[in-house]
Amino acid sequence: SQKIEQNSEALNIQEGKTATLTCNYTNYSPAYLQWYRQDPGRGPVFLLLIRENEKEKRKERLKVTFDTTLKQSLFHITASQPADSATYLCALDDGSGNTGKLIFGQGTTLQVKP
Amino acid sequence: DTAVSQTPKYLVTQMGNDKSIKCEQNLGHDTMYWYKQDSKKFLKIMFSYNNKELIINETVPNRFSPKSPDKAHLNLHINSLELGDSAVYFCASSQLGTETQYFGPGTRLLVL
Repeated sequence: SQKIEQNSEALNIQEGKTATLTCNYTNYSPAYLQWYRQDPGRGPVFLLLIRENEKEKRKERLKVTFDTTLKQSLFHITASQPADSATYLCALDDGSGNTGKLIFGQGTTLQVKP
Repeated sequence: DTAVSQTPKYLVTQMGNDKSIKCEQNLGHDTMYWYKQDSKKFLKIMFSYNNKELIINETVPNRFSPKSPDKAHLNLHINSLELGDSAVYFCASSQLGTETQYFGPGTRLLVL
């Protein structure tokens, strides 16, 4: 079965720096990969989706890369701000077809210090 | 306007009780989901309904029974609550064919 690995240790960076979060998967290559943001006490919020035939996707200060050879996605936040502090979840389709079933990683908590 | 709403937000109850959580979405989506997020923050899918039809049913104890009266609502009923059921339960919705899911605020269930 598919396993997703995100760094469970919190990532602490200084404001203005680029934060880079990693999502590794172990089995089949998913048709797409998504990144969500979760704030304490709230539900996840969709940020970006990248498909298997795409190498990179950008949205404002966010950038996602997808390397199917390495079985890895990198999520970058440039010019990070304290407001970017949250837990970021990686999610993959489960490979069984268009059921909308997502498999989530454990998430990485980002702390941006002023 | 709240896109995906859940009630109650908090639920504290005794072992053995039966409880329900309600979910409503006003996005016009045709697919709704229930997820469980445990203390280690893993978010795992439990059920999914598309147009009131069950399409995903993970390995979940049969004490958990989802009900979808219409495509805008998906409720979760839990019988004979156990300590291990304590978690945060999230409802989500999407339009089948699009991959983005919209989550509710969560229901924090504590079983004593």
